[in-house]
Amino acid sequence: AQSVTQLDSQVPVFEEAPVELRCNYSSSVSVYLFWYVQYPNQGLQLLLKYLSGSTLVKGINGFEAEFNKSQTSFHLRKPSVHISDTAEYFCAVSGSSNTGKLIFGQGTTLQVKP
Amino acid sequence: NAGVMQNPRHLVRRRGQEARLRCSPMKGHSHVYWYRQLPEEGLKFMVYLQKENIIDESGMPKERFSAEFPKEGPSILRIQQVVRGDSAAYFCASSPAGEGYTFGSGTRLTVV
Repeated sequence: AQSVTQLDSQVPVFEEAPVELRCNYSSSVSVYLFWYVQYPNQGLQLLLKYLSGSTLVKGINGFEAEFNKSQTSFHLRKPSVHISDTAEYFCAVSGSSNTGKLIFGQGTTLQVKP
Repeated sequence: NAGVMQNPRHLVRRRGQEARLRCSPMKGHSHVYWYRQLPEEGLKFMVYLQKENIIDESGMPKERFSAEFPKEGPSILRIQQVVRGDSAAYFCASSPAGEGYTFGSGTRLTVV
C-alpha cells in the first residue's frame, strides 16, 4: 500500500523568505509524485510532477521539488515567497501507470506574512 | 478548451434527501475520478470511471453512494439519504489515457 506524510500542518514564513514543505512517501512499487496547490474555495492546481528522469523538477510559480529515492522524499521549495503563495499545498503519489488513483497527504498550510 | 466543470458549486441538502453531483470532463478526456475532501483533511479517492465503466471503486462507501459516466453526458456522483457526515467538498478530475489529471473546482455539499 502507498501512503504520503506531510510533516508540517502549518508553515508560517515572512514574505521574500525561502520555504520548504516536506513530503515523505512509502510505496512498494515505482511511483509518480505530485505537488498540488489549493487556494481557498477552489480546486487543486498542479504545481509540478515527477514521472522519471532528472530528480530536480521545476514547476509553476517558481516552485521546485527534488525526488530523493533513498530517503523516500519529495520536498517542495521556493527561494522567495510572495503573499500570493498563501494556500494549502498537497503532496500526492500514484502508481507507475499514472492513470490510477492519487494518494494525498494531509496538506500543509503555507502562511506568508508581510 | 474549458476545464473540468462541476456543478453545482454549492449544494445544501436536508438529512435523508438525495444529492446529485455532476462533472463534465475536459474535451477529449475519457477518464474521470472522484475525490472527497473532509474538513481539515486531504483528498481521499472514491472512484475511477471510464465511459460506461467503473474501473476502480475501492474508495466508495458500500452503501448510499454510486457513480456513473454514461456514453453521453456528464459523470454523476449520487448520494442517497444523505447524513451530516457526508458534508464535504467533492472534487472531480479528468485525464486523457495515460496522462495526468485536471481537477474541477469542486462541489461543496452541506447537509443540514
